[in-house]
Amino acid sequence: GDSVTQMEGPVTLSEEAFLTINCTYTATGYPSLFWYVQYPGEGLQLLLKATKADDKGSNKGFEATYRKETTSFHLEKGSVQVSDSAVYFCSIRGSYIPTFGRGTSLIVHP
Amino acid sequence: DVKVTQSSRYLVKRTGEKVFLECVQDMDHENMFWYRQDPGLGLRLIYFSYDVKMKEKGDIPEGYSVSREKKERFSLILESASTNQTSMYLCASSLEDGPYEQYFGPGTRLTVT
Repeated sequence: GDSVTQMEGPVTLSEEAFLTINCTYTATGYPSLFWYVQYPGEGLQLLLKATKADDKGSNKGFEATYRKETTSFHLEKGSVQVSDSAVYFCSIRGSYIPTFGRGTSLIVHP
Repeated sequence: DVKVTQSSRYLVKRTGEKVFLECVQDMDHENMFWYRQDPGLGLRLIYFSYDVKMKEKGDIPEGYSVSREKKERFSLILESASTNQTSMYLCASSLEDGPYEQYFGPGTRLTVT
């Protein structure tokens, strides 16, 4: 079946540092790829998505590129803020049921 | 904006009680999902529904049942609550077609004592 592997956290950074959270997947066919973010005490919300190879999803300074050849969808941001502290989930979906990674906690210090 | 609402943010129940968690979405989505979220385990799918009165078991359906009598409402039922069902419960919905992103509710933190 499908699976998603993302780097374990917590990831701890200082404000304005560069962020990378790795995500790789295994799937049959060509799934759509997503990053979701969960702020403390809230549900998940879509951060960005990509639906075909070489697509780049972007939102709020975050970016991720659909890399079919390496089956990866790494999340990046050039300069993180304290307000980016949250848990980030990588997800793929090729059919009805999405598959999620276990989540990566990001902590940004001033 | 799509809105997914859950009936309670916090709920405390006693062992053996029957518990109902309600989820309502306002965007005419075909698919609806129930997950539980536990530290270190990520999101685990309990049940999903791809249409009214249709349901499929997810990864951890034991101890749970669901009901979908109307398209906008998906209920999760704990027939006899147990302490190991203490968790955060998340509801989500999505369109059947297209890029398939999910929209999540705010979650219900259930404590069973």
